[in-house]
Formats: sequence, C-alpha cells, structure tokens
Amino acid sequence: GNSVTQMEGPVTLSEEAFLTINCTYTATGYPSLFWYVQYPGEGLQLLLKATKADDKGSNKGFEATYRKETTSFHLEKGSVQVSDSAVYFCALRSGATNKLIFGTGTLLAVQP
Amino acid sequence: DTAVSQTPKYLVTQMGNDKSIKCEQNLGHDTMYWYKQDSKKFLKIMFSYNNKELIINETVPNRFSPKSPDKAHLNLHINSLELGDSAVYFCASSQDDRATYGYTFGSGTRLTVV
Repeated sequence: GNSVTQMEGPVTLSEEAFLTINCTYTATGYPSLFWYVQYPGEGLQLLLKATKADDKGSNKGFEATYRKETTSFHLEKGSVQVSDSAVYFCALRSGATNKLIFGTGTLLAVQP
Repeated sequence: DTAVSQTPKYLVTQMGNDKSIKCEQNLGHDTMYWYKQDSKKFLKIMFSYNNKELIINETVPNRFSPKSPDKAHLNLHINSLELGDSAVYFCASSQDDRATYGYTFGSGTRLTVV
C-alpha cells in the first residue's frame, strides 16, 4: 500500500544552519507530494507541493524536489530561523484515492 | 475570516459522555475530512465527504458518526467516549475529491476524556 517514511526527530539546529529532513515514499502510480508544517498549538499548513517527477516545490526559503528514481521528497532550507521551529509532515496523495497519507512528522527545534 | 473553522477548540469531558465537534469551511470546497492526531503526532484519516456524500470511512469505531448537512459543514459526533478517544481532531477541506492541491486544515479540537 501507499506509505510515507520520514526521518525520526527531533532535529535540533542552531540558527542559520542548513536543514534537511528526509522523506521517502511508496506509492502506486504517480502520487502528488506535499510538505505541511504544524506550529505549536496550531493546525497543519501547506508549506509546498510537487505534482510530478522533477518538480521542485518552494516556499518561505524551503525547497523539495520530487525524485521518482529514489522515491524521495527531502525538505531543505539553507538557513533556518528560530521561527521555523515546528513539526514538519511529508504527505502523498496517490492518484487512486483522494486521501492524503502522512508521515509521522519530524520535530525541528532551532536554537538561537 | 477563517477558511476552515472548528468548534470547540478544547473539549474536556468524562468517559461515557456523548459530544460533538463542528466544522465549517468558507472556501467553496466540495470535499471535507476528519483526521485524528494522537499524542505522538501521528495523523490518521477517519472520514471524508464529497458534496454531502460519504466517500471515505476508515476503520473507526461506530461510536463515531460524521454528519454533513451541506457541503460547507462536516460535524463529528462521538458516543460513549472512552479514554483512548483523547486526541486532537482536525477538520480539513479540499477543492474536489481528487485533492490535487492538498488540503486546508482547521486549527484542531483537543479532546480530553477523563
């Protein structure tokens, strides 16, 4: 079946460090891929998305590239800020269904 | 104006009670969802409605009953609450049932059963 695997957290970084959060997926067909962010006490917000192979999603300095050959959609940011501290979820939507399947989430803690 | 709004934000209740959570979206979306987030942040879909029609019904105890009076509203009623129902419940909506552009989430309802 369809599934998403994310790296275990928490990830603790100093301000201005480089961020990578790994995400790999298993899916039939050609899924759409998403990153969502959840700030403390809030709902999930769409951060970026990619709908086909080699697409790059980007927003607020975050980027992720849809890699079909490695079934990956790793999230990166060149210089993190304290305000980026949140839980990040990778998700996929398979073409066969309308439901989003989420990874387990990765907590990012950025220290000043 | 909040795009997807849920009420209440917090709900503390005793075991055995019946409670409802309400959700409304003003985005004009056709499809709405309920997700449950457990204490480890794991998100699991419970139900989905498209234009008032139930289209996803995951393995959820039948104490949980969704109701969609119109496509802008999706409520969740829970009978005979149990300790294990304690979680954060998120409502979400998507433009259509293909969810091509992902979902818009509400801010969640934290349910605590004591």
